[in-house]
Amino acid sequence: EAGVTQFPSHSVIEKGQTVTLRCDPISGHDNLYWYRRVMGKEIKFLLHFVKESKQDESGMPNNRFLAERTGGTYSTLKVQPAELEDSGVYFCASSPVGGAQETQYFGPGTRLLVL
Amino acid sequence: AQSVTQPDIHITVSEGASLELRCNYSYGATPYLFWYVQSPGQGLQLLLKYFSGDTLVQGIKGFEAEFKRSQSSFNLRKPSVHWSDAAEYFCAVGRGGSQGNLIFGKGTKLSVKP
Repeated sequence: EAGVTQFPSHSVIEKGQTVTLRCDPISGHDNLYWYRRVMGKEIKFLLHFVKESKQDESGMPNNRFLAERTGGTYSTLKVQPAELEDSGVYFCASSPVGGAQETQYFGPGTRLLVL
Repeated sequence: AQSVTQPDIHITVSEGASLELRCNYSYGATPYLFWYVQSPGQGLQLLLKYFSGDTLVQGIKGFEAEFKRSQSSFNLRKPSVHWSDAAEYFCAVGRGGSQGNLIFGKGTKLSVKP
């Protein structure tokens, strides 16, 4: 069974540009989470999808971030326009059901550098 | 507010030595606790988790963790470290309710000396 995949693995962009990150969850997993780790800081929750609906987006830093999950399958996270402080590693995770006790399966992350 | 503290940023141990990684949490109710490991170039992999019951939890790769409510701790241990255990380790608490998002500590990077 394929794990959670993320694309690209690395992205280097200039301030003001747009970047789109993609996450493909494990097949059949309705729950999809985005997290971000800024250098030197802890991994922080961004948002949670259940199928195609946003269950919780309380961690999204501002309106420059837009997440979508078309048809309840893969998800994209767009940053527009990117700022220097957006640099970090963006992780995606999925689980078959929601709830604090469920194991989340993480992808390898996308390393974003904004210059 | 819920929080997780991993006081050690970087630990170096010799191969074959024992290991203990510290984790303290702040949470109002019975927590759901997790330890994840991230090896270079890999995603986070679950080592073990605690929800209820026996406070000593066994995980993969020979790791175990003990939940101590009185100390708000969930320390990770391994009796004999292997070179392949060099990685970054994250303690996390699961937020209550249906949301399920995790709150992580800052991580502890483990180096293993030959």
